[in-house]
Amino acid sequence: TQLLEQSPQFLSIQEGENLTVYCNSSSVFSSLQWYRQEPGEGPVLLVTVVTGGEVKKLKRLTFQFGDARKDSSLHITAAQTGDTGLYLCAGALGGNEKLTFGTGTRLTIIP
Amino acid sequence: DAGITQSPRHKVTETGTPVTLRCHQTENHRYMYWYRQDPGHGLRLIHYSYGVKDTDKGEVSDGYSVSRSKTEDFLLTLESATSSQTSVYFCATFGLLGLEAFFGQGTRLTVV
Repeated sequence: TQLLEQSPQFLSIQEGENLTVYCNSSSVFSSLQWYRQEPGEGPVLLVTVVTGGEVKKLKRLTFQFGDARKDSSLHITAAQTGDTGLYLCAGALGGNEKLTFGTGTRLTIIP
Repeated sequence: DAGITQSPRHKVTETGTPVTLRCHQTENHRYMYWYRQDPGHGLRLIHYSYGVKDTDKGEVSDGYSVSRSKTEDFLLTLESATSSQTSVYFCATFGLLGLEAFFGQGTRLTVV
């Protein structure tokens, strides 16, 4: 069982629609990150959230960290084909930066 | 971009043979990680290092060992490769601020 569970595992929607991806855990994280991965490449950081209740916006992407710092969400407004990819959340535990990743959400935006 | 190089990028090996994957960084980052990526599992942590000669196990460490004799190099060894270790392996480093992980390009390993 992985420490961070993401849902849904797969999501396919039409261009222009909105979507939300979730990242949940029973553990408390000091910070939580979201990455996007393209085929054949390593993940690339989108955002880091560090404060419970924090909301960060990156153009059409809105990231929220839960009040208890156990969960996070990623909301995309007016999805574009360029948003297609694998989205991963990650958190560090224990003070020695043991970085754990979620199960991933594979997003496909249909033109 | 952080300078993280993985070698080899692709490898096919036979069951039962030892295999070593190398990760080299030029950023002087303290923390280094080895992950494997399989469909439906995201990235799973194999081993990580928090300093030279300081390593610890991740969630899927059985059958793997690591060594870090220099800050810049982190080696992952499959002691006796099995077909279940066919995967894409990623090395990552964590910077001093601890707020972003940087990844290599990955190594695709096939055990036949």
